[in-house]
Amino acid sequence: NAGVTQTPKFRILKIGQSMTLQCTQDMNHNYMYWYRQDPGMGLKLIYYSVGAGITDKGEVPNGYNVSRSTTEDFPLRLELAAPSQTSVYFCASSAPINEQFFGPGTRLTVL
Amino acid sequence: KQEVTQIPAALSVPEGENLVLNCSFTDSAIYNLQWFRQDPGKGLTSLLLIQSSQREQTSGRLNASLDKSSGRSTLYIAASQPGDSATYLCASRNTGNQFYFGTGTSLTVIP
Repeated sequence: NAGVTQTPKFRILKIGQSMTLQCTQDMNHNYMYWYRQDPGMGLKLIYYSVGAGITDKGEVPNGYNVSRSTTEDFPLRLELAAPSQTSVYFCASSAPINEQFFGPGTRLTVL
Repeated sequence: KQEVTQIPAALSVPEGENLVLNCSFTDSAIYNLQWFRQDPGKGLTSLLLIQSSQREQTSGRLNASLDKSSGRSTLYIAASQPGDSATYLCASRNTGNQFYFGTGTSLTVIP
């Protein structure tokens, strides 16, 4: 099993550009999550999904969108990138009320 | 809103010492609490998960305890090794599938 995979590993965007961060898991987990990690701030939940077709907001959803068309994939969309979105983004998955497994992260810089 | 605090922010110990990392949270209505390890530039690796009905969990040299009434969890590492050097994060799972992370304790084990 590959676990949770994320692409790309690194990306530099200009202000106002858009991009999609990809996340795939092969553990047949219903629950998937997107976090951002800023230095000294801990991880913050952006969006989560409890199954295909079901998504909900986390603590910091503004500026992001998600979709969940399959169990395996949970892409995160950034529209109109801003410098405040410079961060490391992590995707995670879990079975209900069970431990989370994390991907390796995407390091995004917005200039 | 849940607040998760980890003190100290950094800890340095000589190899072979036993040590305790602390995690405190303000809202005791949690489903579970999970401990992670994060190496520099990497994703998070799950160490232990304690469900709200449990008092402790053990894995090898690691033991995690949970006291919901006092809003505290501890991670005990026995016979520390240089390979244990990393940042250790705790996260609570609260109602509504919301997760709250502490900012971590950076551990350095000196050979």
